[in-house]
Amino acid sequence: ETGVTQSPTHLIKTRGQQVTLRCSSQSGHNTVSWYQQALGQGPQFIFQYYREEENGRGNFPPRFSGLQFPNYSSELNVNALELDDSALYLCASSLVSPPSTVADTQYFGPGTRLTVL
Amino acid sequence: QQQVKQSPQSLIVQKGGISIINCAYENTAFDYFPWYQQFPGKGPALLIAIRPDVSEKKEGRFTISFNKSAKQFSLHIMDSQPGDSATYFCAASVMPPEGAGNMLTFGGGTRLMVKP
Repeated sequence: ETGVTQSPTHLIKTRGQQVTLRCSSQSGHNTVSWYQQALGQGPQFIFQYYREEENGRGNFPPRFSGLQFPNYSSELNVNALELDDSALYLCASSLVSPPSTVADTQYFGPGTRLTVL
Repeated sequence: QQQVKQSPQSLIVQKGGISIINCAYENTAFDYFPWYQQFPGKGPALLIAIRPDVSEKKEGRFTISFNKSAKQFSLHIMDSQPGDSATYFCAASVMPPEGAGNMLTFGGGTRLMVKP
């Protein structure tokens, strides 16, 4: 186990609703990244938070937003849900230690399966 | 835009055989290439990773071969076992700025089945 937990495990919403997904990072990790994994595809990078600030974003609209808290837990919020938002949402935590440029190893949680009807 | 293309989509190998999965990338700024293994109901787990300054890296039964000029890299699983049956993803990332972690671009995945 990676020590990264996510809740809830499964969620069903209807189109137009809003959803909040939660992630608890591995102890001591200061960075969290969120990925969307559609069925049968590879994960797609949504955004990353480091020390409570968003520091990178993939090709996702602003209705995807996030928060990272001082205890390194985090949330992914999606507004105005669309059918295509149905996917497995993964969070991954890692330890970034500037000025080191050693690639950080990302530890993934088991994901939250979101179904939008 | 799919920046990392992975093949094959599925692979069946006999126990003891060699499993080979290939990936090709477009972005020459990529400088970190990890491979992840994902079992059903689980998140991806890092298997092995390589930087472009080496052409091969081996960890146990898993080997990454890297061809910078061809912009291709591959995963070889030697002596494949039924327990290796899973979905494998290649990924790539550019060097992140200071104070940021890797932002991975994943391939589409390969579903590997190792038959006893």
